[in-house]
Amino acid sequence: KQEVTQIPAALSVPEGENLVLNCSFTDSAIYNLQWFRQDPGKGLTSLLLIQSSQREQTSGRLNASLDKSSGRSTLYIAASQPGDSATYLCAVSAGGGGSNYKLTFGKGTLLTVNP
Amino acid sequence: NAGVTQTPKFQVLKTGQSMTLQCAQDMNHNSMYWYRQDPGMGLRLIYYSASEGTTDKGEVPNGYNVSRLNKREFSLRLESAAPSQTSVYFCASTPRRQGARYEQYFGPGTRLTVT
Repeated sequence: KQEVTQIPAALSVPEGENLVLNCSFTDSAIYNLQWFRQDPGKGLTSLLLIQSSQREQTSGRLNASLDKSSGRSTLYIAASQPGDSATYLCAVSAGGGGSNYKLTFGKGTLLTVNP
Repeated sequence: NAGVTQTPKFQVLKTGQSMTLQCAQDMNHNSMYWYRQDPGMGLRLIYYSASEGTTDKGEVPNGYNVSRLNKREFSLRLESAAPSQTSVYFCASTPRRQGARYEQYFGPGTRLTVT
């Protein structure tokens, strides 16, 4: 059974810092990995998606990397801002991209960026 | 494009009552999913529908039923609500077609309390 772990569970940083969120998964046979953001009381917003054949994806100040063989992904946030405060969730697909495509989620990292 | 919509946004039920949570997507996606999110447990898959006409159990299906009414709509029914079903319920959809990125899009959630 796929298990996804996110470390740390919570992180508090001053504005302007660069930071790294970690995600690890137990079964390396994934189709893709997705990073989401969730604001309090809201749904999930997709930030980045990395296909299993890719090593990284970038969007603005965000960079996600994937090391499939070691079962790890990192989300790098550059020059953090108070608006980045949210819970960040990592999810991996179970198996291939056919009818069995479904995500297994980590429990998230609660990020607080202090002005 | 409204994306993924869910109704109702909030609901309070008494133990033993029944209700149906509605979900619709206007992105012509093939696959749809129901999750529940509980503190300390993360997001867990209840049921999913890989394509119109098919449904499958996820990690926590007990106490729930689903109906894939058509390509757009996927409903979740609680036949006899229990306090353990107090949670936030999210619906999601994924394109899952040749050449598409299997990115998952989420609705805003339904906050359900069972007393």
